[in-house]
Amino acid sequence: QKEVEQNSGPLSVPEGAIASLNCTYSDRGSQSFFWYRQYSGKSPELIMSIYSNGDKEDGRFTAQLNKASQYVSLLIRDSQPSDSATYLCAVSTNYGGATNKLIFGTGTLLAVQP
Amino acid sequence: KAGVTQTPRYLIKTRGQQVTLSCSPISGHRSVSWYQQTPGQGLQFLFEYFSETQRNKGNFPGRFSGRQFSNSRSEMNVSTLELGDSALYLCASSLRQGGPGELFFGEGSRLTVL
Repeated sequence: QKEVEQNSGPLSVPEGAIASLNCTYSDRGSQSFFWYRQYSGKSPELIMSIYSNGDKEDGRFTAQLNKASQYVSLLIRDSQPSDSATYLCAVSTNYGGATNKLIFGTGTLLAVQP
Repeated sequence: KAGVTQTPRYLIKTRGQQVTLSCSPISGHRSVSWYQQTPGQGLQFLFEYFSETQRNKGNFPGRFSGRQFSNSRSEMNVSTLELGDSALYLCASSLRQGGPGELFFGEGSRLTVL
C-alpha cells in the first residue's frame, strides 16, 4: 500500500465547475497536509496547507481534512483553464518536530475544458 | 524576495560520471530538502539539512550525498551515474526545522544520463 494515494486522472471538468481532488494516506500519525500545484515542466507550488479536521478556505480553493478516515481533499470552485495542472497531495508525520520531510502522492492531472 | 535558486537547470551526463547540483534557499530559510521526481515514482525524498547537519535521509543508495554550508546553501552529489538517475532534482527550502513542513521549491535541475 502506498503511503499517500491519489487517483492519477486525468480529471476533466468544464470551465466554471467544481473540481474535486482526493487523497488518502496510510500513517495515522500524520499531522500536516499540503496541496501543491505543478504545471507541466515547472516545479511544485504550495497552494494550501491544513492541520486540523474540517475545512479551510482560501479564495476558490477549499481543503478538507478527515483524520479519522485518513482522507484529504481539495475543492476548486469556478475552475478555470489556468487551473489545468497536476495536483500533488503531500503529508508530514513530523514526529517530535524533527523533520520537514513530506511524503507525496503521485498527483492527479486536472484538465479544465473551456 | 528571491525564491529558491537551483543550478544548473539542465545537464547531460554519461553513465559512470558524477554530478553536483547546487541550491540557494530563500533568504532567511535555514532548512533545505532535496527530492527526486520521475514520471513513474513521483516525488521521492532524498535528504534534508539544517544548520549544516543532515537531519533525515531517504531510501537512496550511498551514491547520493549532500551537504549544507554555513550560509544555508546546499549541494547534492550523485556519483557513478546510472541511467535510472535521470530525473528532475528539486530543492526545497523551509523557514525552520521541524515543521509545519511548508516547503518552497526551486525550478529544479533536470539530469539526463546517457
